Amino acid sequence: SQQGEEDPQALSIQEGENATMNCSYKTSINNLQWYRQNSGRGLVHLILIRSNEREKHSGRLRVTLDTSKKSSSLLITASRAADTASYFCATDQFYFGTGTSLTVIP
Amino acid sequence: EAQVTQNPRYLITVTGKKLTVTCSQNMNHEYMSWYRQDPGLGLRQIYYSMNVEVTDKGDVPEGYKVSRKEKRNFPLILESPSPNQTSLYFCASSYTGARVGYGYTFGSGTRLTVV
Repeated sequence: SQQGEEDPQALSIQEGENATMNCSYKTSINNLQWYRQNSGRGLVHLILIRSNEREKHSGRLRVTLDTSKKSSSLLITASRAADTASYFCATDQFYFGTGTSLTVIP
Repeated sequence: EAQVTQNPRYLITVTGKKLTVTCSQNMNHEYMSWYRQDPGLGLRQIYYSMNVEVTDKGDVPEGYKVSRKEKRNFPLILESPSPNQTSLYFCASSYTGARVGYGYTFGSGTRLTVV
């Protein structure tokens, strides 16, 4: 499968804590993307990191990419209840994983 | 507002009754795609289109058809729906695709139940 695979499958944290989720993939990529999905809704594009980048920031989001390990991580700092959602990574051929379900407890 | 519009949002139908789920985008995107989302299986690509009159199969194309006669529209057709096509469907579009650094814009989804 060319899917990205997220880890962990589920994550529960207290509001204010940081949340880290990981993504592994199998093929060479030009870029990797992260998306958020609120329950039953369409996915929303969060951030894209190119293969020649190692780290990228967007607000409270920090994404890293290690092409030698074929892995990426998404860090959400100072989490809020509104961050409760599923998070997906996708390779540049738009192959999605099964997602990490994040619950932020107020 | 830039968006991908899917209709209907909810649909209950009977086995074998042909149906069409419409998808339209107003961003002049070249790349459009259909996914189905099932618990534990993530998003699986059904069909995609790189441009007008250019379509190709994704990972799970069996039982589905698509067409791309206009740039903005990419309908998903189920000629003879079966219960195993009960799922949450998403249409998505992108400007020239992810390979050159553009992400997807997703529609709000169509929850289809086939009884």
